[in-house]
Amino acid sequence: EADIYQTPRYLVIGTGKKITLECSQTMGHDKMYWYQQDPGMELHLIHYSYGVNSTEKGDLSSESTVSRIRTEHFPLTLESARPSHTSQYLCASIAPRGLAEAFFGQGTRLTVV
Amino acid sequence: AQTVTQSQPEMSVQEAETVTLSCTYDTSENNYYLFWYKQPPSRQMILVIRQEAYKQQNATENRFSVNFQKAAKSFSLKISDSQLGDTAMYFCAFMKPLERGNKLVFGAGTILRVKS
Repeated sequence: EADIYQTPRYLVIGTGKKITLECSQTMGHDKMYWYQQDPGMELHLIHYSYGVNSTEKGDLSSESTVSRIRTEHFPLTLESARPSHTSQYLCASIAPRGLAEAFFGQGTRLTVV
Repeated sequence: AQTVTQSQPEMSVQEAETVTLSCTYDTSENNYYLFWYKQPPSRQMILVIRQEAYKQQNATENRFSVNFQKAAKSFSLKISDSQLGDTAMYFCAFMKPLERGNKLVFGAGTILRVKS
C-alpha cells in the first residue's frame, strides 16, 4: 500500500458550500497532482505541484484552487460547490528521482446536490 | 503536447486466456517513460508495468508484458493466464523524464472484464 491518503472518501454537499479535499503523503515526494475522473473514467489533470510554494494549473480548466505549504500536504479547495463539480478526485505523487512511479490515493467521490 | 490513445473502451477475456490491450502515443521526445496502471473497482490505482524509452527490451512483470514499438509509438499490454482479479480499468500513461517536467498524461482507459 502506498503512503498517500485522501479524505474524505465520500462527500455529499449542498450547492454553494465551500469544501476542501485533503491529500497527504508520507513519502517526501516533491511532485503532487490532482486528477478529476469523470463518469466515463477518463482522467484529467487539474492541478500539479513540483514542491513547496509551487502550484500550476493542469490541462483541464477547473474552478478549484490548491496550495502547497508543506511537502506532505496538497489540499484542493472549491469556494462554492456546484453540481457540475460532482466527480471523483484523485491525488497522486511521484518520487523526485528513480523510476518515476506515481502513487495514488483512494480518491474522493464528491457529489454536489 | 503529448497525447495517449487507447482505442479499446472495453475488452473481455475468459479466465486463463491471454488478452492484449492497445495504446498509442504521440510525442517529439526521444526519452520518456511509459506506464500501464490498473484501477480495480472502488480501489486505488496501482502501477502494473513500466517501460523506459531508451531500453529496447520489452518490460515484463510476471503475467504482464509489453510490446514497445518506439518507431510506431505503440505500447501494448499483454496479460497472460488472465485471472478474475485482473478485472479493472487499465490506463496507459506517458511521462517525460523527471528533469524535463513531470506531467503524467493518461489515455482514456480500457475496461477489462475477466469471465469465469
